[in-house]
Amino acid sequence: TQLLEQSPQFLSIQEGENLTVYCNSSSVFSSLQWYRQEPGEGPVLLVTVVTGGEVKKLKRLTFQFGDARKDSSLHITAAQPGDTGLYLCAGEMYSGGGADGLTFGKGTHLIIQP
Amino acid sequence: KAGVTQTPRYLIKTRGQQVTLSCSPISGHRSVSWYQQTPGQGLQFLFEYFSETQRNKGNFPGRFSGRQFSNSRSEMNVSTLELGDSALYLCASSFSIRDRGQVDTYEQYFGPGTRLTVT
Repeated sequence: TQLLEQSPQFLSIQEGENLTVYCNSSSVFSSLQWYRQEPGEGPVLLVTVVTGGEVKKLKRLTFQFGDARKDSSLHITAAQPGDTGLYLCAGEMYSGGGADGLTFGKGTHLIIQP
Repeated sequence: KAGVTQTPRYLIKTRGQQVTLSCSPISGHRSVSWYQQTPGQGLQFLFEYFSETQRNKGNFPGRFSGRQFSNSRSEMNVSTLELGDSALYLCASSFSIRDRGQVDTYEQYFGPGTRLTVT
């Protein structure tokens, strides 16, 4: 059973459209991280959310942590081809516990077509 | 600051052989973790090293092993390679709670990975 479910698995949209991807779990996390991975490269950390209900913005990307700290969403406004990549969420089961306390979802493959 | 580096970037091996992958963490990071990434299973945690000691281990067979040196550089070894070991192997370094002296989030800084193909 996958602890963190990401949806959709695949998303292909036109440049300029908005989109939201989701990261859901039945478990409570002390923090949740979002990464973006481009082909042939390792994941790059985008943001960490810690407080239930927290919203963080990174240019056209908006990240939200659910009130109960069980889920998170990533919203992209006016998507651009440079946003193409695999978006991974990772939940930390307990604060500062180390890598085995970090669970990754399988990711959302996002393609932005020009 | 230089990022996490991994060598080699690509590797082709034959079933039954063994392989050693290398990772150099970000300067000042003492925690190094290894992950296996495949299309079907996603990112799966292999093990984590801190101060030359294995601190955590994922659910992988004993053919997968690692070590960390005094300069925090780490190596991962896979013996008796199987076809199913074909994957992208990622190394990540991190601040440890002990480095920061406070309870904190555990953020991973990944290298570019080593693409291993077993034929």
